[in-house]
Amino acid sequence: NAGVTQTPKFQVLKTGQSMTLQCAQDMNHEYMSWYRQDPGMGLRLIHYSVGAGITDQGEVPNGYNVSRSTTEDFPLRLLSAAPSQTSVYFCASRKTSDSSYEQYFGPGTRLTVT
Amino acid sequence: AQSVSQHNHHVILSEAASLELGCNYSYGGTVNLFWYVQYPGQHLQLLLKYFSGDPLVKGIKGFEAEFIKSKFSFNLRKPSVQWSDTAEYFCAGRGSQGNLIFGKGTKLSVKP
Repeated sequence: NAGVTQTPKFQVLKTGQSMTLQCAQDMNHEYMSWYRQDPGMGLRLIHYSVGAGITDQGEVPNGYNVSRSTTEDFPLRLLSAAPSQTSVYFCASRKTSDSSYEQYFGPGTRLTVT
Repeated sequence: AQSVSQHNHHVILSEAASLELGCNYSYGGTVNLFWYVQYPGQHLQLLLKYFSGDPLVKGIKGFEAEFIKSKFSFNLRKPSVQWSDTAEYFCAGRGSQGNLIFGKGTKLSVKP
C-alpha cells in the first residue's frame, strides 16, 4: 500500500492564480480530509468528506473548494490564491469503522503564494 | 467547545533528561487521543494513541502517555531523551466532524 499520497510536494503561486492539490489513498478509507498547518497554530481542518459525492466545510474553508468523485481521490482547489494561503497542506484519511479514530496523513504540500 | 491545549510552546532539554509534555482536552463523549511527532521538514508521524483500555499507552521510540480522565489530561513522557528527539510534538483529540483537533504544538530542542 502506498497509503496517502500528495502532489506536488512544493508549489509557488502568484496572487490570483488557481491550482489543485492532489490527494489519493489506496486503503479504501471512506473519510478524507484536508488540513493546513501554520506556525503556532497546529493543524486546522479545511474540508472533509465522508464518502464519494459527499463533502462539507471545516474550520477554515474560505478560498478552497473540494470534490469527491471517487473513494480514492480528494483534490483541494485554490480558486484565486492569496498570500494568506501560504501554508503546508496535509491530506488525511481514515476508516470510519476503526474505533481508534486513527487518521493517516500524507507527506504534505508546501505552498507559497507571492 | 471542543479544544486541545498544549502547555508548553518550546522545551529545551539536555540529552538523557526526562521529558513530560502536557496536553489537556475539553470535550465530552467518546475519547480518542493522539500524540504525533513532526521532525524538521517531515510529515506527521503517529507516536501513540488512546481510545480504550489501559490508560497508560506505550508508543514508538520509547514514548508513553497516560490518560487521566479526572484531569482531562494526556501527557507525553519519555524517561531519557536523545538529540534525535528534536522535533515538534502535537497532541490531538477527536473532533465532531470526523476530524482530529490539534493543539498548537510543542517544539522540543535537545542539546547534545
